[in-house]
Amino acid sequence: QSVLTQPPSVSAAPGQKVTISCSGSSSNIGSNYVCWYQQLPGTAPKLLIYENNRRPSGIPDRFSGSKSGTSATLDITGLQTGDEADYYCGTWDTRLSALFGGGTKLTVL
Amino acid sequence: QVQLQESGPGLVKPSQTLSLTCTVSGDSISSDPYYWSWIRQSAGKALEWIGRISSDGRTNYSPSLKSRVTISADTSKNQFSLKLTSVTASDTAVYYCARLLILSAYPRFFDPWGQGTLVTVSS
Repeated sequence: QSVLTQPPSVSAAPGQKVTISCSGSSSNIGSNYVCWYQQLPGTAPKLLIYENNRRPSGIPDRFSGSKSGTSATLDITGLQTGDEADYYCGTWDTRLSALFGGGTKLTVL
Repeated sequence: QVQLQESGPGLVKPSQTLSLTCTVSGDSISSDPYYWSWIRQSAGKALEWIGRISSDGRTNYSPSLKSRVTISADTSKNQFSLKLTSVTASDTAVYYCARLLILSAYPRFFDPWGQGTLVTVSS
């Protein structure tokens, strides 16, 4: 069981908005940056958001992240069928060991 | 463009040692401010961090795997490697290597990742 808690699944229709939550504690999310990774079916995870809310080059602004206290959220607007994937939050603990959430499967209805 | 590629046996017998290598192209594993990491993903889909090695050879391991893990680097080949001893079926997973950015002594993110390699532990 992951230290970071994510909903197992979320779904929404094309064009709509979805929010994925990631809940942790003061010893991980509360004191470190949060990242989000997108894993399309059959592929490796890909960096989507880093340092809580920054997007790497090439990531559309439909994807946004935020952090408040010991929780973080990933928002995806203007949903597309190509956004169907597993999404993972990630951060570090007090010993700077990496932690990941259990993953959330996004279904675009 | 930085690319990472995992290689190694896809089948390991229980109690034996799992050995994988990650070959890096487009960047030097000796370059700051990057570390080089191993991460695995079981069939149940959770990602699990295994450990990392710095550009100057310092290592950090997951507390849960520390007693069985060794990560090393060969700068002449621009490769880093993973050894996991005394494997059991629970070590069956897709193993990824990834580059980790660390700034001001704080890790920031894993990017890019290798494509991953499936290792099955079975007799």
